[in-house]
Amino acid sequence: AQKITQTQPGMFVQEKEAVTLDCTYDTSDQSYGLFWYKQPSSGEMIFLIYQGSYDEQNATEGRYSLNFQKARKSANLVISASQLGDSAMYFCAMREVGGNDMRFGAGTRLTVKP
Amino acid sequence: ETGVTQTPRHLVMGMTNKKSLKCEQHLGHNAMYWYKQSAKKPLELMFVYSLEERVENNSVPSRFSPECPNSSHLFLHLHTLQPEDSALYLCASSQLPETANYGYTFGSGTRLTVV
Repeated sequence: AQKITQTQPGMFVQEKEAVTLDCTYDTSDQSYGLFWYKQPSSGEMIFLIYQGSYDEQNATEGRYSLNFQKARKSANLVISASQLGDSAMYFCAMREVGGNDMRFGAGTRLTVKP
Repeated sequence: ETGVTQTPRHLVMGMTNKKSLKCEQHLGHNAMYWYKQSAKKPLELMFVYSLEERVENNSVPSRFSPECPNSSHLFLHLHTLQPEDSALYLCASSQLPETANYGYTFGSGTRLTVV
């Protein structure tokens, strides 16, 4: 069964600094996708970045990058140059190829300090 | 209108009421999902519909009844709920998983309070 672990319930970062949010996963499949979502207080889940299990390069999307270490089964999210608007819950998720659903970690609440 | 739309945004209901949550997607996706998000708990998958057929039901109590009349609409019918059912209910849609990089598009959720 899939399992996603986010060990940081809460994180603080100073504005304009970089922050890393940890995520580890467990799967016996070789083909899967890893995702990060942002959930502001409004409740909507916003897609940030995707990494495929066969992608050799780490994914990047603007200020977001995914530090993918397949052997360690980790998929950490790096946010560079943090902004006040980055304060939110962040969820790591995984979906196996051919699977019917996506599984989520417990989330990390990020607070950006001015 | 594009994306995934959920109505209502907020709902307060008594334990003896019957209400329905609605989800609509205009993305041409063929799979839809209901998730429950309670305080301090991970998102819990409730129901999965693929090509309008229910393919997964994660042991959800029968007081929650889903309905998917077509690929664009998904409902969650509620009756005789309990206070512990108070949560944010999120709807999502995606394309059939030919590859893993079909992420979900989520709605803004319905925040349900059972009194």
